Amino acid sequence: DTEVTQTPKHLVMGMTNKKSLKCEQHMGHRAMYWYKQKAKKPPELMFVYSYEKLSINESVPSRFSPECPNSSLLNLHLHALQPEDSALYLCASSQFGTDEAFFGQGTRLTVV
Amino acid sequence: KQEVTQIPAALSVPEGENLVLNCSFTDSAIYNLQWFRQDPGKGLTSLLLIQSSQREQTSGRLNASLDKSSGRSTLYIAASQPGDSATYLCAGDNYGQNFVFGPGTRLSVLP
Repeated sequence: DTEVTQTPKHLVMGMTNKKSLKCEQHMGHRAMYWYKQKAKKPPELMFVYSYEKLSINESVPSRFSPECPNSSLLNLHLHALQPEDSALYLCASSQFGTDEAFFGQGTRLTVV
Repeated sequence: KQEVTQIPAALSVPEGENLVLNCSFTDSAIYNLQWFRQDPGKGLTSLLLIQSSQREQTSGRLNASLDKSSGRSTLYIAASQPGDSATYLCAGDNYGQNFVFGPGTRLSVLP
């Protein structure tokens, strides 16, 4: 099983809302990632968790708050987002840092 | 920081042609390079991973090569099909910590 599952698939939220994106993998991978992808652009790294600890934060605004409750789950908590935060949010996992990475189908987020 | 570029940005070919997609990276001390496919509005599908100790990998009609000394990787697609139409992304590791993506090549295979 090489599946990374993301929920929800689509999310529309107002600028005052609080929502969360979820990501789950059961491959025993110890590195998990959040990427943001704008239309016709490549994915850009936001956060990396290694062994359930935040190892990389690419200067992401504090309105994005990651959480790794256990080795299989990764959350991204959203609060007070801006319309420019509308994008495809992708979760990925790998055994270690640069082993083969597997991506979920993404959450299409629209901020209104 | 690792930087990755890809050429061409877009490519349109008739069905059945063999084609080559190119990827360049700045840090030759690369550990791994991975090729992905992305359909519109979808996530990324892993195609091939080439580790630094390897020169190439093959999967079906796909063959990827890695030349660390020149900072290049190529993805060869044999006998292209309309179902191959997608954006192809290469990603090189950033000092062994995570992958950095190129801008992608948008491929259209015409029936």
